[in-house]
Amino acid sequence: AQSVTQPDIHITVSEGASLELRCNYSYGATPYLFWYVQSPGQGLQLLLKYFSGDTLVQGIKGFEAEFKRSQSSFNLRKPSVHWSDAAEYFCAVGLPGTYKYIFGTGTRLKVLA
Amino acid sequence: NAGVTQTPKFQVLKTGQSMTLQCAQDMNHEYMSWYRQDPGMGLRLIHYSVGAGITDQGEVPNGYNVSRSTTEDFPLRLLSAAPSQTSVYFCASSPRGQGDVFNQPQHFGDGTRLSIL
Repeated sequence: AQSVTQPDIHITVSEGASLELRCNYSYGATPYLFWYVQSPGQGLQLLLKYFSGDTLVQGIKGFEAEFKRSQSSFNLRKPSVHWSDAAEYFCAVGLPGTYKYIFGTGTRLKVLA
Repeated sequence: NAGVTQTPKFQVLKTGQSMTLQCAQDMNHEYMSWYRQDPGMGLRLIHYSVGAGITDQGEVPNGYNVSRSTTEDFPLRLLSAAPSQTSVYFCASSPRGQGDVFNQPQHFGDGTRLSIL
């Protein structure tokens, strides 16, 4: 069955430190890949997406993600975290040939001043 | 431009009551969807629609009904609420675009927090 795994439920980093959030997917082919961010009490906002081509994609707010086919991974990175990045982050896949998205369980990021 | 509007923002129901969660978008998007968000489970797709008159089931459709009579509105109905349906519900929309719908970004509403006693 298709699935998206975010192994880290919570991550705490200091402001200015680098960040990497992990995402692995299970699907027979390469799906469409997404990262969303959710601030408290709000809906989700798209950070970036990967469909094909260059495996390193740039997104908004200084985030980037790298697709690794051999590892079925799509990890999110940021070189220097800001306090305003504290939020919950969701990895998601879109299943080609369907209209269905599958979301991971989320990683909650805490940023220490 | 209001985007995706969900009403109400909060609701408390008793077991067995019925309710409709409203979702409206003013962007002329063909694709609309409903998710529920539960702690430790992320977002799960309940139902989706690719245009007026067209709906289909997602991952967790049981206990929920939808209809799509207009492009703008996509209401979610709970016919007989159960405590297991306590959750935060999100509606999202996107243009259908060319090819896969995934080429277009989803726009999310701010959610409806539903508690069922």
